[in-house]
Amino acid sequence: DVKVTQSSRYLVKRTGEKVFLECVQDMDHENMFWYRQDPGLGLRLIYFSYDVKMKEKGDIPEGYSVSREKKERFSLILESASTNQTSMYLCASEAGGPNEQFFGPGTRLTVL
Amino acid sequence: DQQVKQNSPSLSVQEGRISILNCDYTNSMFDYFLWYKKYPAEGPTFLISISSIKDKNEDGRFTVFLNKSAKHLSLHIVPSQPGDSAVYFCAATLGGYGNKLVFGAGTILRVKS
Repeated sequence: DVKVTQSSRYLVKRTGEKVFLECVQDMDHENMFWYRQDPGLGLRLIYFSYDVKMKEKGDIPEGYSVSREKKERFSLILESASTNQTSMYLCASEAGGPNEQFFGPGTRLTVL
Repeated sequence: DQQVKQNSPSLSVQEGRISILNCDYTNSMFDYFLWYKKYPAEGPTFLISISSIKDKNEDGRFTVFLNKSAKHLSLHIVPSQPGDSAVYFCAATLGGYGNKLVFGAGTILRVKS
């Protein structure tokens, strides 16, 4: 069965802290994505990766960076967390082509 | 500027009746459309999709209709069940490398028993 896991379900951090969100998929998928979900805005793409060590900016990359050292793992990094980064963060993976993306359960991040 | 719009934030339907969720898009280059369902505290799950070369796709109780000239698609759920209560997201893609999805804001569906 397809599985995408995220390191934390809930996270509380302070302004200025460096935050790591980890995502692991077990489907040998090529493509991986990071989104944030905010009320009234839907899901917005932060970054995506179509291969190991490859990354592309999404629609809202400012304040974020990513790392993909292994095919199964895609990390989202908040270099210096700010309160406007309080959100639900969702990771997804996809085999490639016009297929559906499989999502993890999400990480609810609160930045105080 | 949102390229994919779901103008109804919420919808309430009686169990057994039809639920119709609507989605409009502005980019005529989108070539593939998907619907996702999301329960609270869970990630979205894929529901149904449609290619731009088709105007209808059906999967059990779920049917998606695409009207390219109007840049409009809709999801029909018949009959609606209480377990269908969730947030429904419409998404569209230009295809190509990385298959970036553009999501709408979502519609909360409540099915009353």
